[in-house]
Amino acid sequence: DVKVTQSSRYLVKRTGEKVFLECVQDMDHENMFWYRQDPGLGLRLIYFSYDVKMKEKGDIPEGYSVSREKKERFSLILESASTNQTSMYLCASAPGTTVQADTQYFGPGTRLTVL
Amino acid sequence: AQRVTQPEKLLSVFKGAPVELKCNYSYSGSPELFWYVQYSRQRLQLLLRHISRESIKGFTADLNKGETSFHLKKPFAQEEDSAMYYCALSRGYQKVTFGTGTKLQVIP
Repeated sequence: DVKVTQSSRYLVKRTGEKVFLECVQDMDHENMFWYRQDPGLGLRLIYFSYDVKMKEKGDIPEGYSVSREKKERFSLILESASTNQTSMYLCASAPGTTVQADTQYFGPGTRLTVL
Repeated sequence: AQRVTQPEKLLSVFKGAPVELKCNYSYSGSPELFWYVQYSRQRLQLLLRHISRESIKGFTADLNKGETSFHLKKPFAQEEDSAMYYCALSRGYQKVTFGTGTKLQVIP
């Protein structure tokens, strides 16, 4: 059973703080993703990593960066948090068995509030 | 550009009634489509994908390339089907575009 865990379920930060969101998967998946989930907007891809130290921008990368030093861990960094980054953040992982898209396995989410 | 449209934000049906959650897409290549579901206080999970042609929890979805649609259907809604449903389109190497979601509410 694939397990994707996120470091926090709820997080409250102040404007301008540097924020780290951590995600760990235990299934040796090649691919990991960070999304934000907002009502009426669905899921939007922030960043995607297809291998250790490899990353690719998603649809809304501005204000975010990522780090993948180990295969099982993918971190999302908000360099200087702003109120418009208040959202639910979802991490996901997927194996790299096909060219198109494998099933993605999601973490429970981190609800971030920036005051 | 790849796009997934779910026109209904909320769909309310009575228990036992048929359900159809609409999904339309735009994509120039050969599409690969998914339905994901998020039950209350649970994580988002795959419901079905069109290439497997499975029926999961009584739900089916047929890819209609002519109408560029991938509607999710179930003949008889159950209360436990109440959830948020997302249609998703693969846009090449593991990247997926999600729709805005439809909340299904099954009324007892």
